[in-house]
Amino acid sequence: GAGVSQTPSNKVTEKGKYVELRCDPISGHTALYWYRQSLGQGPEFLIYFQGTGAADDSGLPNDRFFAVRPEGSVSTLKIQRTERGDSAVYLCASSSQGARDEQFFGPGTRLTVL
Amino acid sequence: GNSVTQMEGPVTLSEEAFLTINCTYTATGYPSLFWYVQYPGEGLQLLLKATKADDKGSNKGFEATYRKETTSFHLEKGSVQVSDSAVYFCALRTIQGAQKLVFGQGTRLTINP
Repeated sequence: GAGVSQTPSNKVTEKGKYVELRCDPISGHTALYWYRQSLGQGPEFLIYFQGTGAADDSGLPNDRFFAVRPEGSVSTLKIQRTERGDSAVYLCASSSQGARDEQFFGPGTRLTVL
Repeated sequence: GNSVTQMEGPVTLSEEAFLTINCTYTATGYPSLFWYVQYPGEGLQLLLKATKADDKGSNKGFEATYRKETTSFHLEKGSVQVSDSAVYFCALRTIQGAQKLVFGQGTRLTINP
């Protein structure tokens, strides 16, 4: 079956622009996570959805970052007024029932802010 | 707070050598522990896990034992292959709230034939 997919695979934007990153989880997975991986570092948690609601958004670095999952499936991570420091690989993961199950990761979106 | 510290890389070994990648953690309570692997051009994959003290996770010849007394989860393999070249991440899963994964910084492993 299909795994977690993320689009686009690469995104280059200019400082100050708005970007949207999309995640399609594995069908039927209710839990969805976003992580950010800076160069040479491990992934860092951003936000967790259980169904449609953001159950934990404590990892979002500031109010320029926002994520939605309106129908409990696809999620979009939105970044306003991008800064060069936002450049990273943004990873999405999903799991079947919730937090205790294995998280399956997508290939990531590489964001470059010029 | 929760954190993971792993052996800095890069690590370069010859084929059939013995591998150890050290990992220690700081956590509230007793989290589940994981090793993830990222092969070139691919996404993160779960390699192995252990959910309680003294558990041993194993997969593809790799092993790691959950050591509560030393708060460690070192990754080992007796005889590495060129195909093991990848970046390895140690991680814990927090026991409260979102039960998010907290990762170490990763160790790049290169195996030469």
